[in-house]
Amino acid sequence: QVQLVESGGGVVQPGRSLRLSCAASGFTFSNYAMHWVRQAPGKGLEWVALISFDGSNKYYADSVKGPFTISRDNSKNTLYLQVNSLRPEDTAVYYCARDPGGNDCFDQWGQGTLVTVSS
Amino acid sequence: SYVLTQSPSVSVSPGQTASITCSGNKLGETYTSWYQQRPGQSPVLVIYQDNERPSGIPERFSGSNSGNTATLTISGTQATDEADYYCQAWDSSTAVVFGGGTKLTVL
Repeated sequence: QVQLVESGGGVVQPGRSLRLSCAASGFTFSNYAMHWVRQAPGKGLEWVALISFDGSNKYYADSVKGPFTISRDNSKNTLYLQVNSLRPEDTAVYYCARDPGGNDCFDQWGQGTLVTVSS
Repeated sequence: SYVLTQSPSVSVSPGQTASITCSGNKLGETYTSWYQQRPGQSPVLVIYQDNERPSGIPERFSGSNSGNTATLTISGTQATDEADYYCQAWDSSTAVVFGGGTKLTVL
């Protein structure tokens, strides 16, 4: 079955960096665009970034443009989010989500990885 | 930037019909999706392309979208439907947009 497993979260000081990973299995990863979506504690969902199936196109929310970089390694079936210059307001659970293409939605989600930015 | 607006909370009695709305400028001209998120869990897609149900989603979940408002309707609401519900759409300038979420309480 389809599985998305995020990792790489943790407690980090403001200004530091992390690389989040999302390991995909149970489907042909290289056929799908992928997204990162985050959720601050007690808050709603916020879209973060999108990468096309082959990595050639990337889009970002205005709130993360610059410090965050989305990438993928189709040979490893893995999605990444490099998060730099972290601020307390970046504290959130970060989910990876699959884009089925053509349906304008996210049909599979991972369990999320928590990033806490605190001194 | 594009904004989707949802009421913060909706209450319904078991067995009754719950309606959760999502408003945005000319929302009816683009597809809307809906996600259910139970406490401590990841979101689950319940409606896509305004009114399509993914496999495994009960028939009591339905959707509509016209004008400036999309609506998620849950017929014969059950206690297990108590959750947060988020609408989502695409916008040419913002890419992906989520509504602020509606907490459904089954009394």
